[in-house]
Amino acid sequence: EEQLVESGGGLVQPGGSLRLSCAASGFTFSRYWMSWVRQAPGKGLEWVANIKQDGSEKDYVDSVKGRFTISRDNAKNSLYLQMNSLRAEDTAVYYCARGGYCTGGACYFDPWGQGTLVTVSS
Amino acid sequence: DIVMTQSPDSLAVSLGERATINCKSSQSVLYTSTNKNYLAWYQQKPGQPPKVLIYWASTRESGVPDRFSGSGSGTDFTLTISSLQAEDVAVYYCQQYYTTPPTFGQGTKVEIK
Repeated sequence: EEQLVESGGGLVQPGGSLRLSCAASGFTFSRYWMSWVRQAPGKGLEWVANIKQDGSEKDYVDSVKGRFTISRDNAKNSLYLQMNSLRAEDTAVYYCARGGYCTGGACYFDPWGQGTLVTVSS
Repeated sequence: DIVMTQSPDSLAVSLGERATINCKSSQSVLYTSTNKNYLAWYQQKPGQPPKVLIYWASTRESGVPDRFSGSGSGTDFTLTISSLQAEDVAVYYCQQYYTTPPTFGQGTKVEIK
């Protein structure tokens, strides 16, 4: 079974840092673009970042550029999101998602993990 | 960025009746060289992650019931649930993957009347 399991969420103060992880299983991780997508409480979906199969290309939504860093370890079948200088507006459930068909990094997403909640509050 | 706009924001449909959700993109998501529309539909049930239903605007994902169908081209798309079942209560999102950043519609909440 193809599976994505996120971890690392929690409560952090504004300006703080957090590192999210996503463990992949049931498919050849190194063959796929991977992304993080977030959902603020009661709100819609927002793509956050993606990374190419070999890590050579990365892209971010404007609101997190310079603060978040996406990375992957294909040997460990793992995806990461380092989040620095966190703000209240970063509060959301963060989903790890595999790219389906992708064009230049724009993908549809299938499957998704269950998500991990990040709360930025003092 | 391509803006995706869904309508309506919510709708209530009787069991067994048809539900129709519209999605409009601010620019065409039809790639002429492939003649494919880079448009996906997702279903999100309460407390669950989204699940892809449709991609290429009209290709049903494996395992998705055939009461779900997608149509449209260019900038205007529709997700139709031909006969609403109780388990279809969810929020539905469209998403373009024609260009980066990939963007989602605001969501349409489907309830039972």
